[in-house]
Amino acid sequence: DAGVIQSPRHEVTEMGQEVTLRCKPISGHNSLFWYRQTMMRGLELLIYFNNNVPIDDSGMPEDRFSAKMPNASFSTLKIQPSEPRDSAVYFCASSFGTTNEKLFFGSGTQLSVL
Amino acid sequence: GIQVEQSPPDLILQEGANSTLRCNFSDSVNNLQWFHQNPWGQLINLFYIPSGTKQNGRLSATTVATERYSLLYISSSQTTDSGVYFCAVVSNYQLIWGAGTKLIIKP
Repeated sequence: DAGVIQSPRHEVTEMGQEVTLRCKPISGHNSLFWYRQTMMRGLELLIYFNNNVPIDDSGMPEDRFSAKMPNASFSTLKIQPSEPRDSAVYFCASSFGTTNEKLFFGSGTQLSVL
Repeated sequence: GIQVEQSPPDLILQEGANSTLRCNFSDSVNNLQWFHQNPWGQLINLFYIPSGTKQNGRLSATTVATERYSLLYISSSQTTDSGVYFCAVVSNYQLIWGAGTKLIIKP
């Protein structure tokens, strides 16, 4: 398997623009997670899907952030409008089953909002 | 909520040395995982180890669930072992992360 695939690897955008991050989980995995990592706050869980259904989105910072999982093989994280404080590395991860299973991460998207 | 503490926070070693990283957690957990974040930012799952001992090459891990700690052993360190090592435990359905141990291996 190719592992968890994220795109783009790097994104540089200007404040106010819409940003869409993409994730393809490992085939057969039915849990998907979006994390954000910054030096100040470390790894933060943004949202957790199980069987394509959002289970916990309490980590989503504000209404500017939204996530979708239209099918088992694809998820998006959208920021609209983006702000400089959104600059971070965004990771997607997946696991087979629930959060109680081994977690595999994608390579991350380095987002810079100018 | 459950607390996860890792020690030491930083560790600098010469190539070839052995090291032990510790993860303490404050309550019973369903599972524990060790991750390595390399200097390029990639997060690699090293071990899924709710209890017992596992080995993978130069790395091994032991979790003593009854005493609420886990240890990660790295033997014969190489420069490629540098990075941050995280442990994470499941509480309810959430993965709770430690702050990490930053390991630097000098050639």
